[in-house]
Amino acid sequence: AQSVTQPDIHITVSEGASLELRCNYSYGATPYLFWYVQSPGQGLQLLLKYFSGDTLVQGIKGFEAEFKRSQSSFNLRKPSVHWSDAAEYFCAVDPPNTGNQFYFGTGTSLTVIP
Amino acid sequence: SQTIHQWPATLVQPVGSPLSLECTVEGTSNPNLYWYRQAAGRGLQLLFYSVGIGQISSEVPQNLSASRPQDRQFILSSKKLLLSDSGFYLCALGGGWGKTQYFGPGTRLLVL
Repeated sequence: AQSVTQPDIHITVSEGASLELRCNYSYGATPYLFWYVQSPGQGLQLLLKYFSGDTLVQGIKGFEAEFKRSQSSFNLRKPSVHWSDAAEYFCAVDPPNTGNQFYFGTGTSLTVIP
Repeated sequence: SQTIHQWPATLVQPVGSPLSLECTVEGTSNPNLYWYRQAAGRGLQLLFYSVGIGQISSEVPQNLSASRPQDRQFILSSKKLLLSDSGFYLCALGGGWGKTQYFGPGTRLLVL
């Protein structure tokens, strides 16, 4: 079945530590891939996206993500987390032939401790 | 640049009452428009999407409906709200496959 999986429901990291949020997808063809961030009570903000080309993509707020076709993964990383990064993070895919219907993972909640 | 407005920001309604949530967009024409619902502590559920005026596709059967009376207006409605309709409703716009979806600020609905 087609799906987007974010295996970590909740992650806690110390400020200044590195971060990696996992995302795996299951689709027949490589979809377009996105990461969004949601602060409490807010809409979703686009962090970065992968369409083609270089498999390491840079986004806003110092985030990057790496597309690995062999693993069907698109993990989000940040070298040094700031307290303001505490939020909910969603991975999304836009598979071909679905009319721009995005499929979202269930999200990963990030807590940053001092 | 594209802007998405959602109204109201917060709404408290009794069970059985009607609902109308509005989404309007600026800075684009003929967008794809979407309604998502986000229950507390959960992911996003696509409710409806529209590729043009009067064109609505429903993803989840329920007591909600959507309409697109104008190119840049998308409305979510219900005749009788249920407790389970409580949640955070997000409007989004996109432009077709390969285009990013952008989200509005959301409407928080509490049904009592």
